[in-house]
Amino acid sequence: QSALTQPPSASGSPGQSVTISCTGTSSDIGTYNHVSWYQQHPGKAPKLLIYEVTKRPPGVPDRFSGSKSGNTASLTVSGLRTEDDAHYYCSSYAASSVVFGGGTRLTVL
Amino acid sequence: EVQLVESGGGLVQPGRSLRLSCAASGFTFDDYAMHWVRQAPGKGLEWVSGITWNSGNIVYADSVKGRFTISRDNAKNSLYLQINSLRVEDTALYYCTKEYSSSWYYFDHWGQGTLVTVSS
Repeated sequence: QSALTQPPSASGSPGQSVTISCTGTSSDIGTYNHVSWYQQHPGKAPKLLIYEVTKRPPGVPDRFSGSKSGNTASLTVSGLRTEDDAHYYCSSYAASSVVFGGGTRLTVL
Repeated sequence: EVQLVESGGGLVQPGRSLRLSCAASGFTFDDYAMHWVRQAPGKGLEWVSGITWNSGNIVYADSVKGRFTISRDNAKNSLYLQINSLRVEDTALYYCTKEYSSSWYYFDHWGQGTLVTVSS
């Protein structure tokens, strides 16, 4: 149950796009399409943004999109807005358990 | 409106025990699996444990196996986490979460968390 690997930080200007990577192994991301992404603002609980690699729960803007290739999943935020300034965590199913990434701090400049 | 309200956290000495509770409302509790996820101060998320709707399947993270026990009482719409032999590294905000759409591995609702601080 090793944590997934995310870059500690990312940044972009309003209106731009940014992509955050999440690298796992053949025991998690590489085998299962059960990848999700969460957004967390300071002092708040996480919010589900993406599930099943590419799907968005109701209410999540289509500016957020997900993808996967091999052992790496990615979250792309298009048309950056100031409210996107937050921490982002990836997650994957891993044989009954769930593993999270270390998190990426996205700064909207 | 779905609500998850955790309680039971506090300051405890290493080696002691604690029982966390989560009161659920706004949805049919016994239709869903529930999980505990923790977050150490200033750190990332760590999945701790999950339990299916009927307690038929229970899974733990390797880091807590043997010390933590998850349980639920569907009649009381409540989820619990018994934590024994507490360690300094168990210090974290413990979130109660609800699975999304019978998935097991996605969490669409989170409580505000209950803080456990382990220190002598």
